[in-house]
Amino acid sequence: DAGVIQSPRHEVTEMGQEVTLRCKPISGHDYLFWYRQTMMRGLELLIYFNNNVPIDDSGMPEDRFSAKMPNASFSTLKIQPSEPRDSAVYFCASTSSRDTQYFGPGTRLTVL
Amino acid sequence: KQEVTQIPAALSVPEGENLVLNCSFTDSAIYNLQWFRQDPGKGLTSLLLIQSSQREQTSGRLNASLDKSSGRSTLYIAASQPGDSATYLCAVRGNYGQNFVFGPGTRLSVLP
Repeated sequence: DAGVIQSPRHEVTEMGQEVTLRCKPISGHDYLFWYRQTMMRGLELLIYFNNNVPIDDSGMPEDRFSAKMPNASFSTLKIQPSEPRDSAVYFCASTSSRDTQYFGPGTRLTVL
Repeated sequence: KQEVTQIPAALSVPEGENLVLNCSFTDSAIYNLQWFRQDPGKGLTSLLLIQSSQREQTSGRLNASLDKSSGRSTLYIAASQPGDSATYLCAVRGNYGQNFVFGPGTRLSVLP
């Protein structure tokens, strides 16, 4: 298996622009997680899905953030409009159980 | 609300030394605890997973222990090598929900 795939790996955009991050989980995994990592706040859970349904979105910082999972093999995290404080590394992870999670390589987002 | 702390924040040791990384959590009602490794610019890789009913887990030169009642876990690395240089994060999963709460990590440098 190719593991969790994220795209793009790097994204540089200007304040106010829409940003879409993409994730393909490991085939057969029914849980998908979006995390954000910054130096100040460490690794934070934003939202997670079970069988394509959002279960806990309490970590989504504000209405500018939205996440979807239209099918079992694809999820997006969208920021509209983006702000400089959204600059971070965004990770996607998946699992099929309450055991380990498998992380993607991350998307490094820079908002100028 | 679960809070996870890790001490020390950074550690530098000469090659061959045995070392201990510490993780503390405030709510002892956990389902499991996991240690991850993160290399610069990369995602997280699972090292060891300890279920709440277990006291320790071992994998090669790594040994993780769990004392749930005191809210502590340690990661012991024997005979450290330069390739062990990375950031080590512990993460705690509660009895409900799927999400982990992550510590801030310990940045380890093993000098040749």
